[in-house]
Amino acid sequence: GQQLNQSPQSMFIQEGEDVSMNCTSSSIFNTWLWYKQDPGEGPVLLIALYKAGELTSNGRLTAQFGITRKDSFLNISASIPSDVGIYFCAVTNTGTASKLTFGTGTRLQVTL
Amino acid sequence: SQTIHQWPATLVQPVGSPLSLECTVEGTSNPNLYWYRQAAGRGLQLLFYSVGIGQISSEVPQNLSASRPQDRQFILSSKKLLLSDSGFYLCAWISGRRTGELFFGEGSRLTVL
Repeated sequence: GQQLNQSPQSMFIQEGEDVSMNCTSSSIFNTWLWYKQDPGEGPVLLIALYKAGELTSNGRLTAQFGITRKDSFLNISASIPSDVGIYFCAVTNTGTASKLTFGTGTRLQVTL
Repeated sequence: SQTIHQWPATLVQPVGSPLSLECTVEGTSNPNLYWYRQAAGRGLQLLFYSVGIGQISSEVPQNLSASRPQDRQFILSSKKLLLSDSGFYLCAWISGRRTGELFFGEGSRLTVL
C-alpha cells in the first residue's frame, strides 16, 4: 500500500521556537492535509492543500504542497505549550471516497 | 452544527469476547463514514468506510466487521477479539464538501487482555 514518511519522528523544542516538519510519498497525490492529535483525542484538521505549489497559512501554521505533488511541509512559528501533540500528514486523490492515507506522525514536545 | 459521537470511550475485554463500538453523526445527512484504528505510537489505518446505508467497504483483511444500519450510525464489531485488536478506534465522517476534510470522533480505546 501507499506509504507516507514523516520526519522528524519526534521533536523537543523550547517555547517560542519555530518548528518545521515534512512528509514525503513515493506516489503522486492531489490532496495533502495536515492534522493534529492531542493525547487521547481524535485528530483535528489544521490545513488542507489542493493545488501543487500552494502555500496556505492558518494563524501560526503554514503548509506547502510540493510542486512534484509528492511532498509537503508544515511550519509552526513561535511555538507555545498547547502546540504539543502528534502531527499527521495525510493524502488522498479525488474520486476515492476521501479515503485518507496517514503518515507515521511527528510527536512535538514543547518545554517552557 | 455537525457532531460525531463514539462510545464506549474505553473498553477492556478478554480474548475471545465479542465487540461492538458505535458511532453516530448529528447535523448532517448521507455522510461518508469511516473507521480507523491507531495502534500505540503509530499512525492511523483505515479499516472500513461506508458511502450509504448497508454499503460497507473493507480496506484490510481482519477480525473485525462493520455495519451501517442507519444513515448516521456506523458500528464496528467482532465475534471473537484477538490480542492484536487492541488499539484506539476512531470514527470519522465527511459531508462531501471538500475532499479529505474528515472530522473525527473522540475515539474508543480498546484493550484486549
